[in-house]
Amino acid sequence: DTGVSQDPRHKITKRGQNVTFRCDPISEHNRLYWYRQTLGQGPEFLTYFQNEAQLEKSRLLSDRFSAERPKGSFSTLEIQRTEQGDSAMYLCASSLDGPGYTFGSGTRLTVV
Amino acid sequence: SQQGEEDPQALSIQEGENATMNCSYKTSINNLQWYRQNSGRGLVHLILIRSNEREKHSGRLRVTLDTSKKSSSLLITASRAADTASYFCATALGGKLIFGQGTELSVKP
Repeated sequence: DTGVSQDPRHKITKRGQNVTFRCDPISEHNRLYWYRQTLGQGPEFLTYFQNEAQLEKSRLLSDRFSAERPKGSFSTLEIQRTEQGDSAMYLCASSLDGPGYTFGSGTRLTVV
Repeated sequence: SQQGEEDPQALSIQEGENATMNCSYKTSINNLQWYRQNSGRGLVHLILIRSNEREKHSGRLRVTLDTSKKSSSLLITASRAADTASYFCATALGGKLIFGQGTELSVKP
């Protein structure tokens, strides 16, 4: 296990299209987090899972965003009807019940 | 909303100098963490300091915490060009970490 993997690394999409990102956490980690980061800003919390249960969603997460973590393993983040304001780096992190997250390298989304 | 605020927003120093970054936060905490992010990459956990600790060291890193002032500082001693990155403080709120806006450190060779 080499850490948290995110796929794809980069995604360019046309406005109005749907996109889906995948995150594979460290296998023994039960918590999985999604963050969004724009240029020059810190990561903003979107949502997190403990095992397969989604425990919290940020108000930043509009109804166009949905995240799943079936079977408590990998997670997907889908954005429907993308808008230019969705352009950002989407970061996934995982942890094992405690402090200290391991982050993936992120998926950079560009909406044109 | 951001829990932490880093200061300065950007810092440029020469190799070999020390770099100090500060973080202020709003609510009571169990611990405060510092992360580093190289351009276009994910964040890497550097160090955690618990609320009952005042100072912690890890290699060239020294972190202090003043819970009465709700502030923390990260000192990088004898900086290297490879330390060039953004540094973020983070505190736990509920079940997740809330990050500040970061300090962009540039170390010139």
